[in-house]
Amino acid sequence: SQTIHQWPATLVQPVGSPLSLECTVEGTSNPNLYWYRQAAGRGLQLLFYSVGIGQISSEVPQNLSASRPQDRQFILSSKKLLLSDSGFYLCAFSRELRNNEQFFGPGTRLTVL
Amino acid sequence: AQSVAQPEDQVNVAEGNPLTVKCTYSVSGNPYLFWYVQYPNRGLQFLLKYITGDNLVKGSYGFEAEFNKSQTSFHLKKPSALVSDSALYFCAVRGSMEYGNKLVFGAGTILRVKS
Repeated sequence: SQTIHQWPATLVQPVGSPLSLECTVEGTSNPNLYWYRQAAGRGLQLLFYSVGIGQISSEVPQNLSASRPQDRQFILSSKKLLLSDSGFYLCAFSRELRNNEQFFGPGTRLTVL
Repeated sequence: AQSVAQPEDQVNVAEGNPLTVKCTYSVSGNPYLFWYVQYPNRGLQFLLKYITGDNLVKGSYGFEAEFNKSQTSFHLKKPSALVSDSALYFCAVRGSMEYGNKLVFGAGTILRVKS
């Protein structure tokens, strides 16, 4: 069966510090991968998606970047965090077929102070 | 452009009563429609999807949803609500022309089931 992992579960970082959030998928190959941010416990904003190793598409201009160094690994980074980067970050994957649903990881709660 | 509307911020229902959470959409091409549920501080859980075929789709935990093409709606329903159904519900859509399996999510509807 397929599983998706995210870590850390929670993170408190000072403004201006770097960030690295990791997401890994097991049990499937060549997944599509996604990073979302959920602010204030409501709407989801798609930040990045990837259809293959080294292929990253950015949905919104921001202080964050993403990388996919391996087929089932997706990393969200920042060189200098802003207060506005606080939120709940969710990683998701879908299988290669076009009509497949996305499966979400447990999320990382980031607080920037 | 794709869009999803969940017109109700919150739905309140008594335990044992039927529930409906509303969703309308706009896409290019044929719609692929999804419902997810989120419990506090957790990731989203997939409930059900409509791709093609029967307009009434059955999913997890006794939920079902009805696809209505003329009204561009995909309302989530359950015949008898449980207190444990209380959560945040998201509708999502993808047009058949959309690259990368990207979904557009609604703003979410909080469901509160009272005993």
